[in-house]
Amino acid sequence: DTGVSQNPRHKITKRGQNVTFRCDPISEHNRLYWYRQTLGQGPEFLTYFQNEAQLEKSRLLSDRFSAERPKGSFSTLEIQRTEQGDSAMYLCASSSLGEFLYQETQYFGPGTRLLVL
Amino acid sequence: KNEVEQSPQNLTAQEGEFITINCSYSVGISALHWLQQHPGGGIVSLFMLSSGKKKHGRLIATINIQEKHSSLHITASHPRDSAVYICAVHNYGGSQGNLIFGKGTKLSVKP
Repeated sequence: DTGVSQNPRHKITKRGQNVTFRCDPISEHNRLYWYRQTLGQGPEFLTYFQNEAQLEKSRLLSDRFSAERPKGSFSTLEIQRTEQGDSAMYLCASSSLGEFLYQETQYFGPGTRLLVL
Repeated sequence: KNEVEQSPQNLTAQEGEFITINCSYSVGISALHWLQQHPGGGIVSLFMLSSGKKKHGRLIATINIQEKHSSLHITASHPRDSAVYICAVHNYGGSQGNLIFGKGTKLSVKP
């Protein structure tokens, strides 16, 4: 399977614990995005990387959230001191930068569903 | 008011019906995406368009830049088309790479 993969697919944790999610993008893609989706809502942008550089972070990404893409390939999203409001689906997408920004198509992973008790 | 609005929010159709899902946006865009999300979360990109019309099988997407409106049509709908359809836009002149998403339209096609 050469698509975007995410692990784990599901995570249940207690409030206050730290969690880390992993995203493996399509291998030749240089852009990687993290989104959060709550029930009944569309995805919301969290952050994105071009190669290993984190180019933008949403104001939704509080200090408890950190994302890395150390070698420009896979990425991790860590949430520290989880809160019940962090319960959501965390989606990763990757794309290959086209000549024009709007030419890129993002390919989404299956998501990691987080439940904070 | 959300920057990307979809209607209807929920749609139930009988197999074979022609379906239209609408998307209106309030920001300047460089491109618009239609995405399909199945139960369990996986999202598939259906179309990316910046003008005119695109067709793929039974799916047709149109966009009117002047009216800031796009439609997704499904002809001869089938139960396997049941999913959430999401409209997302690249905000022209906005941040570098992120999409702004609508809340989605949940489609259920009954046999």
